[in-house]
Amino acid sequence: AQKITQTQPGMFVQEKEAVTLDCTYDTSDPSYGLFWYKQPSSGEMIFLIYQGSYDQQNATEGRYSLNFQKARKSANLVISASQLGDSAMYFCAMTIYGGSQGNLIFGKGTKLSVKP
Amino acid sequence: DVKVTQSSRYLVKRTGEKVFLECVQDMDHENMFWYRQDPGLGLRLIYFSYDVKMKEKGDIPEGYSVSREKKERFSLILESASTNQTSMYLCASRVAGTTRGNQPQHFGDGTRLSIL
Repeated sequence: AQKITQTQPGMFVQEKEAVTLDCTYDTSDPSYGLFWYKQPSSGEMIFLIYQGSYDQQNATEGRYSLNFQKARKSANLVISASQLGDSAMYFCAMTIYGGSQGNLIFGKGTKLSVKP
Repeated sequence: DVKVTQSSRYLVKRTGEKVFLECVQDMDHENMFWYRQDPGLGLRLIYFSYDVKMKEKGDIPEGYSVSREKKERFSLILESASTNQTSMYLCASRVAGTTRGNQPQHFGDGTRLSIL
């Protein structure tokens, strides 16, 4: 069965430092996509970054990058130069291609707190 | 920008009531989803719809039903509300995917539902 595991319930990082949020996934399907979402305390889910299983390069979007290690089935999110506004819940999610209608399987999330 | 609008941010209802949660998207997306979010459990899929009048059960459909009479609107119905349905409910939409694609789900701001 497909599964997403986020082992860090909570993380602290000093402002302006980099932080890595861990995500491992489990699937036997070769075609899948991995997403990261941010959820501030206000509740909305904000899409951050995407990595496809066939993508050769690690995805980057501004201060966000995805450390994709396919053999280890990990897709860690790296946030560079943390800002106070980065304090939020972060969710890793996976979709399996081929008939899934884009359904996402979510991890339980990591709460990131950025300290001034 | 994609806009997904949920009718209420906060809602308080009584046990046994029939509760309607409404979701509207303005981007002509084919796929729409309802999730509930509980602390420590992440997001769990209740129902999804890939076309008007089409629906599929997600992981936790018990106690819920859905309606999609128009493409832009997807309603979640609690037939007889119970206290264990107190939760955050999130609606999402997505363009119909190809077998491989990076189209994310776009979320509404969520409805915090309390059943007393």
